[in-house]
Amino acid sequence: DSGVTQTPKHLITATGQRVTLRCSPRSGDLSVYWYQQSLDQGLQFLIQYYNGEERAKGNILERFSAQQFPDLHSELNLSSLELGDSALYFCASSANTGDQETQYFGPGTRLLVL
Amino acid sequence: AQSVSQHNHHVILSEAASLELGCNYSYGGTVNLFWYVQYPGQHLQLLLKYFSGDPLVKGIKGFEAEFIKSKFSFNLRKPSVQWSDTAEYFCAVRYGGSQGNLIFGKGTKLSVKP
Repeated sequence: DSGVTQTPKHLITATGQRVTLRCSPRSGDLSVYWYQQSLDQGLQFLIQYYNGEERAKGNILERFSAQQFPDLHSELNLSSLELGDSALYFCASSANTGDQETQYFGPGTRLLVL
Repeated sequence: AQSVSQHNHHVILSEAASLELGCNYSYGGTVNLFWYVQYPGQHLQLLLKYFSGDPLVKGIKGFEAEFIKSKFSFNLRKPSVQWSDTAEYFCAVRYGGSQGNLIFGKGTKLSVKP
């Protein structure tokens, strides 16, 4: 158990819908990262927040957004869902940001868009 | 562009065989290097990491990796694999100057036959 929690574990929804994935980082960690794991693209970085502020953006679609709240939990919002958005979404956390930080991963949310 | 290559998509070994999984990253400069393991149906777990110092790093479960700067490589090794090592292994790199996000290789699936 890494100490990072994610809910829900599984999510099944239809195209065009909107979903929210939630992540609670390890106690004391200020940085949260979101990654998408799919069969064709592998593990891809989406977005990072540090102490409530967006720090870095990766291959995140405009239909996707995220935020980090004052209690440091984070939510990833996926809207206008398409079949290709079906994937495993991981959250990771680290104490700070930048070099020599280790990221610890949560169990993931498996999203299936029908 | 920053990228990470894992040469083997699927490796099949018998128990007690030695393992070496290749990982190369795209260019030099300061890097932080990681190997993560994903057991079937589970989240990513940190096996080992390299930030600086001794280029031979030891991780959990008998794994080790060697950082060879001149070859931009960070290969994972284990002298004798067990059936329980069956999993997918991911090499990840954080490039110096980034905010902290990791770039992952496509992963290598290891199957160990009992």
